[in-house]
Amino acid sequence: QVQLQESGPGLVNPSGTLSLTCRVSGGSISSSNWWSWVRQPPGKGLEWIGEISHTGSTHYHPSLKSRVAVSVDKSKNQFFLSLRSVTAADTAVYHCARLDDSAGYFQYWGQGALVTVSS
Amino acid sequence: QPVLTQAPSASGTPGQRVAISCSGSSSNIENNYVYWYQQLPGTAPKVLIYRNDQRPSGVPDRFSGSKSGTSASLAISGLRSEDEADYYCATWDDSLSGRVFGGGTKLTVL
Repeated sequence: QVQLQESGPGLVNPSGTLSLTCRVSGGSISSSNWWSWVRQPPGKGLEWIGEISHTGSTHYHPSLKSRVAVSVDKSKNQFFLSLRSVTAADTAVYHCARLDDSAGYFQYWGQGALVTVSS
Repeated sequence: QPVLTQAPSASGTPGQRVAISCSGSSSNIENNYVYWYQQLPGTAPKVLIYRNDQRPSGVPDRFSGSKSGTSASLAISGLRSEDEADYYCATWDDSLSGRVFGGGTKLTVL
């Protein structure tokens, strides 16, 4: 059973950089095509942030594209999220997720990591 | 504002059938598969429907999906108290070259 676990600072200063790691266990990160980040501000809906393939190809949400980067370290079976120049609007629970290659849905999710942007 | 439009709330009584709609456009729903997710409070979303109308194993057949043109719908029959949750539609948007979610519908079982 594939499991995903997010980790990183729970508090980030405004204008700083939000950095999160998603550790993948129970399967190889190379076994699936797409690995994504999805966030959910408190009391609001889901927002797709971006994704990376095991070959390093990426897609990003247009509204975040100038500030976001998703990367992967296959040797550590992890992938990462970096979001620069954060504001309070970036406060959210951040989930990492794996896409089912054949069916196209987010099959496995991490439990989520709350990141608060505040001084 | 989300690219996909959902009513913010819906409700029904136990045993009833409810439908949740998702409205999009030719750049997303009309030419791409639609997915539906259920999110219980404090948990990660779980897929209910994939590729418009397919159910993953383990999802009860009380849940069904359909798509027509630029809109999609999730139907829940035989409503149960445990169905009280937030429901999100999702798809790919060709213009944005990215995945998009609806704003979510909060279902209350009265």
